[in-house]
Amino acid sequence: GAGVSQTPSNKVTEKGKYVELRCDPISGHTALYWYRQSLGQGPEFLIYFQGTGAADDSGLPNDRFFAVRPEGSVSTLKIQRTERGDSAVYLCASSLGPSLEAFFGQGTRLTVV
Amino acid sequence: AQTVTQSQPEMSVQEAETVTLSCTYDTSESDYYLFWYKQPPSRQMILVIRQEAYKQQNATENRFSVNFQKAAKSFSLKISDSQLGDAAMYFCAVKDDKIIFGKGTRLHILP
Repeated sequence: GAGVSQTPSNKVTEKGKYVELRCDPISGHTALYWYRQSLGQGPEFLIYFQGTGAADDSGLPNDRFFAVRPEGSVSTLKIQRTERGDSAVYLCASSLGPSLEAFFGQGTRLTVV
Repeated sequence: AQTVTQSQPEMSVQEAETVTLSCTYDTSESDYYLFWYKQPPSRQMILVIRQEAYKQQNATENRFSVNFQKAAKSFSLKISDSQLGDAAMYFCAVKDDKIIFGKGTRLHILP
């Protein structure tokens, strides 16, 4: 596609439920990033993929968060046993290589009630 | 670990005037990149300008320019001839492999 696509754009879920957030990067981009952005704050790094492998997952806050990129293109961020504190906008970005600028999707707004 | 500090949570500037947004950073890498991103209310992150750390010359992109002081680890953004459409959150970021963002500066443009 022309840009990074994230689905859904909005997700409301109940506390304790499992959610999956999808990111479809720009075709051919090998690097993919996930960020979490709370209201009025800067994007907080979660995980970075180079190809299929997680090159750096140091930003994942705990073991309820997991992300995959099995074929080196689409990625899914998975959150188990959601908590109200997980409510935020989750941003995905991709780049052609680690030294080049990243292009962002419009994010998924997750609300845990 | 990389860190980025933006010390101005909010700034205002009169339309057509010039404004400078401050940013300092820290990284242990010798090869890295610096960016300014703009985020309007639509929440789409838009790249404003980029700077390669190995280049001494300051990047310029139309009305946007940077003052890059590598030794001081400072990377400020100057917006000239401010326009109403420049109103947004501005984030400074440093990248070696992953990208680390500052907390942002909200810029208001006064008509």
